[in-house]
Amino acid sequence: SYELTQPPSVSVSPGQTARITCSGDALPKQYAYWYQQKPGQAPVMVTYKDSERPSGIPERFSGSSSGTTVTLTISRVQAEDEADYYCQSADSSGSYRVFGGGTKLTVL
Amino acid sequence: QVQLVQSGAEVKKPGASVKVSCKASGYTFTSYDINWVRQASGQGLEWVGWMNPNSGNTGYAQKFQGRVTITKNTSISTAYMELSSLRSEDTAVYYCARDNWGLDFWGRGTRVAVSS
Repeated sequence: SYELTQPPSVSVSPGQTARITCSGDALPKQYAYWYQQKPGQAPVMVTYKDSERPSGIPERFSGSSSGTTVTLTISRVQAEDEADYYCQSADSSGSYRVFGGGTKLTVL
Repeated sequence: QVQLVQSGAEVKKPGASVKVSCKASGYTFTSYDINWVRQASGQGLEWVGWMNPNSGNTGYAQKFQGRVTITKNTSISTAYMELSSLRSEDTAVYYCARDNWGLDFWGRGTRVAVSS
C-alpha cells in the first residue's frame, strides 16, 4: 500500500524557521495537504493543494513541492505552533487517500 | 457556519458492529465529499474512506474493505460510517471531515472502545 514518510520529530527555537518534509512516490501527480493537531483537538488544515493557505491561517505557514517531497515551512515559530503535523495526499490513481505518520514539532 | 456534529461515544464487544453518525449544517450537504478518519490513542491519523453525498459513491481504504460501509441520509444531511467485526485494534476516535480541496472542516470525533 502507498505510504507517505515524515520525520517523527522536529525541534526549533522560537523565532526560527521549522521545515517538515513528507515524501511519497505519487506526490508529483497528487496534491498534498498539511494538518496541525494539538492534544485533544481535531486536526486543522494549514495548507492545501501543495502551497495554498486557507483563510484564517497565519502567513507564517507555507507549503512547497519538489518532485517526490513536499515541505511545510513555519516561519518565525511561536510557542503556540507546538503540535503534531500530518501530510495527506492520494495514491497515483487518486482513489485512496493516505496520511503521513505525523511529525511532532517541539518549540524549545 | 459549517458544522459537523458527530454521535456520542460507543462501547462495543469484539465481533459487534458500530455505526457513527455525522450531521452537517451550514452548507449544502450534497456539494462536498465526506471523509472518515480515525486515530488510536497516541497514534497518527488513519484514513478510513469517503463518500460523495450527491451520487452516493464511496471509496474505502484497502485495510477496511469488507468491514466498513459509509452511507447517507440526504434528507437530514447526515453521513454514517459503520464498521463491523470489531476487534480491540479498532478502539479509536473516529472523525468525519468535509472534503473541499482538503479536509477543511472536521467533527469533534466519536470515541469507539472495543472491549470484552
